[in-house]
Amino acid sequence: KAGVTQTPRYLIKTRGQQVTLSCSPISGHRSVSWYQQTPGQGLQFLFEYFSETQRNKGNFPGRFSGRQFSNSRSEMNVSTLELGDSALYLCASSSKVGGSGTEAFFGQGTRLTVV
Amino acid sequence: DAKTTQPNSMESNEEEPVHLPCNHSTISGTDYIHWYRQLPSQGPEYVIHGLTSNVNNRMASLAIAEDRKSSTLILHRATLRDAAVYYCILRDRDNFNKFYFGSGTKLNVKP
Repeated sequence: KAGVTQTPRYLIKTRGQQVTLSCSPISGHRSVSWYQQTPGQGLQFLFEYFSETQRNKGNFPGRFSGRQFSNSRSEMNVSTLELGDSALYLCASSSKVGGSGTEAFFGQGTRLTVV
Repeated sequence: DAKTTQPNSMESNEEEPVHLPCNHSTISGTDYIHWYRQLPSQGPEYVIHGLTSNVNNRMASLAIAEDRKSSTLILHRATLRDAAVYYCILRDRDNFNKFYFGSGTKLNVKP
């Protein structure tokens, strides 16, 4: 069973540009969550999608947005990039959105560097 | 937002047991206790989870206090491959995939 796939793995962008990151969840998983990891702030929740609907959102500015497609693949977009957006962006997929505890599976992340 | 407290770092010798503590004094009755670990340059990896009772799996054991305000992840025989940052996370039944990671415990395993 293929794991969570994130593309691209590495990305370098210039301040002011925008970027789109992609996440393909494990087959059959309908929940996709996104996280930002930086040395200073650690792992922070961005948003969660389930069946093409955003269920939860973290405390990030509106420059950060996402969407989910009917095949459960998800994209996140960051517009007007700032130096502080340099981070590892992680995606996780899960088969459930609630109820009894089950594991979430994380991808290896996309390393975004803003110069 | 993090609702758990863990020591910043711990050290262990290879082949010895490791007990990683976590405090979650504000845990609610519907919160599940999950442990994840993150190896260098990788995404977090599920280790174990529990609700009220102690749990064992092939990777580790989870001991949950009777009042559920603390838990301990037990690695029975640490290996060099277990060197990672370990996160104790509470998963709310209603906001299941909204993880608050906290700072985690960086485990160093000495040969």
